[in-house]
Parts: sequence; structure tokens; C-alpha cells
Amino acid sequence: EAGVAQSPRYKIIEKRQSVAFWCNPISGHATLYWYQQILGQGPKLLIQFQNNGVVDDSQLPKDRFSAERLKGVDSTLKIQPAKLEDSAVYLCASSSPRTGHYGYTFGSGTRLTVV
Amino acid sequence: SQQGEEDPQALSIQEGENATMNCSYKTSINNLQWYRQNSGRGLVHLILIRSNEREKHSGRLRVTLDTSKKSSSLLITASRAADTASYFCATVFSNSGYALNFGKGTSLLVTP
Repeated sequence: EAGVAQSPRYKIIEKRQSVAFWCNPISGHATLYWYQQILGQGPKLLIQFQNNGVVDDSQLPKDRFSAERLKGVDSTLKIQPAKLEDSAVYLCASSSPRTGHYGYTFGSGTRLTVV
Repeated sequence: SQQGEEDPQALSIQEGENATMNCSYKTSINNLQWYRQNSGRGLVHLILIRSNEREKHSGRLRVTLDTSKKSSSLLITASRAADTASYFCATVFSNSGYALNFGKGTSLLVTP
């Protein structure tokens, strides 16, 4: 089966600019996650979707970050305006309730550099 | 906040040696998973152990779980240079939305 697709692979922007990342999960996986991984740290959950509904967005900085999954398939994460501390790798993952959410699959991530 | 804490933060061994990494967590879990991450790449799922299990094996990997001590260990036997990567434990809370909660990871270097 195809894996989790993410784009772009790399992005460099200036602070105060906006940026968007795209994720297409494994076909049939109802649950989609966005994680932020700052260099030297473990991934931190930003938002979790179940189909097109939000399950958990408690760690999403909602003043600048937004995410949507309108049709319950692919998802977009946006940052507007970006800050220097947003420099990180943004990882998308998906899992399926049918398998008890065991064995999450991660995309290769988008590496964001804010200058 | 991140749930798991790995120990050590960095580990350097020679090929053929065994590598042991530990993970501690704070609250009750549904399961605990170990992931591997090569530099600049995505995370790869290695092994999952449920809260009612004590030990699991997968190839050269052995994972133990002690729920009374809220800790887990990952053993990689007969390490190879290709095992060089960062290893993360991730916990899934009981009664949660099944999101993974990662620690800061252990950076493993295996030299030929």
C-alpha cells in the first residue's frame, strides 16, 4: 500500500510570512495526526482528526496555526504568520480504528526553516 | 507535555555489541511503542507492546515493559552500523484519542 504522502519536502520562509503543508494519509485510515518535531526533541502532537472532525487540538497554537481535513481524507496545516521558533519538521501520521490504531504510519515530513 | 523519557540521551557502541535504551513514563498507558528515525527522515514503527504484556521480540529487537515501575527497555542485539539512528519511545494513554506521546529519544551511534 502507498504510504503517507507529505509535501513540500522542504520550505524556507521569512518570519511573518505564511506557509501551508499538505498530507495525504494511507487510504482508509480515518485518523490523521500532525506532529511538530523541533531539532533534538521528540515529536509533539499538534492536532488529531477522526475523519473530518477534530479529536484533540489542545497543543495547537491557534493564534497562528490552523488545520483542516474537509473531506476526511487529505489535510492541510497552515502557519500564519510564522515565527523563528516554528522552524521544525512537521510530520503527518495516520492510523485506523479498525486495527485498534496499532502501527501508526508516518510521512517523511516537511522541514520548515524560518529566517 | 512529552510523556516518555528515554535514557541515555546518547549511546555509542561498536558493531556486534548490544544496545539497551530505557524509557520511563508517568501515567497509565494502553500500549507503548518504539520508533526509529534516521537523520532527516520520517519515523519508522519498530515494535508495540500492550500494557498486559511483559516482553516482545522482533528479529534482533527485544522490548520489555514493567507497568509497576512505569518503564520499558529496548534491546538491540548484535548491532550493525545501519542501526545508527535516533530511537523514540511513545506511549498511548488509556482512555485517550490514541495519539502518540513521544520522549526526547536516544541517539545511537554504531561504529564499524
